[in-house]
Amino acid sequence: RKEVEQDPGPFNVPEGATVAFNCTYSNSASQSFFWYRQDCRKEPKLLMSVYSSGNEDGRFTAQLNRASQYISLLIRDSKLSDSATYLCVVTQNSNSGYALNFGKGTSLLVTP
Amino acid sequence: DVKVTQSSRYLVKRTGEKVFLECVQDMDHENMFWYRQDPGLGLRLIYFSYDVKMKEKGDIPEGYSVSREKKERFSLILESASTNQTSMYLCASSFRRGLINEQFFGPGTRLTVL
Repeated sequence: RKEVEQDPGPFNVPEGATVAFNCTYSNSASQSFFWYRQDCRKEPKLLMSVYSSGNEDGRFTAQLNRASQYISLLIRDSKLSDSATYLCVVTQNSNSGYALNFGKGTSLLVTP
Repeated sequence: DVKVTQSSRYLVKRTGEKVFLECVQDMDHENMFWYRQDPGLGLRLIYFSYDVKMKEKGDIPEGYSVSREKKERFSLILESASTNQTSMYLCASSFRRGLINEQFFGPGTRLTVL
């Protein structure tokens, strides 16, 4: 089983729609969770960290379910500019170092 | 604003050549990382460093080495480039040793090995 799994999509949604992505992880010792956004031919950039209590930033809401080992990203009122690939990142720290696991990304296309 | 720069945006090399990819960050970050990104495979960690002269292998270190002589600079070395090392290479940095925080990525170097 892969460490971090995401549905690659693409998700094609009209402007104004609400869309949700899930990401599952296999290591129950995972400690930190993030969503990154990557535009075509650009580098990934942090969209938001994911906290245990869930967190919201404008139209974006991230949630963590440790029991079921998944994180989610909800985008409300989609804009054309939201079109991108969304990467789920799960990390673990240990005495032997770090483990950084990126999902392969979910592609979102918002259409007029 | 954090800035991570990479020495080249595009690079074409021949099989067997030694290749140096340079990465510089200007925010005094302790952690630095090298990834490669390939279609269908996503981002894969090659090496990372959490301090000067320190390095740790990532998931796919074979065929690569790294050097971190100064805090701001992290170099990726392909000792003898091969065609399967054709890829997009991304460098990243983050602050706070011992804890993974936000990573700031450079613009990437698209390497083609002929």
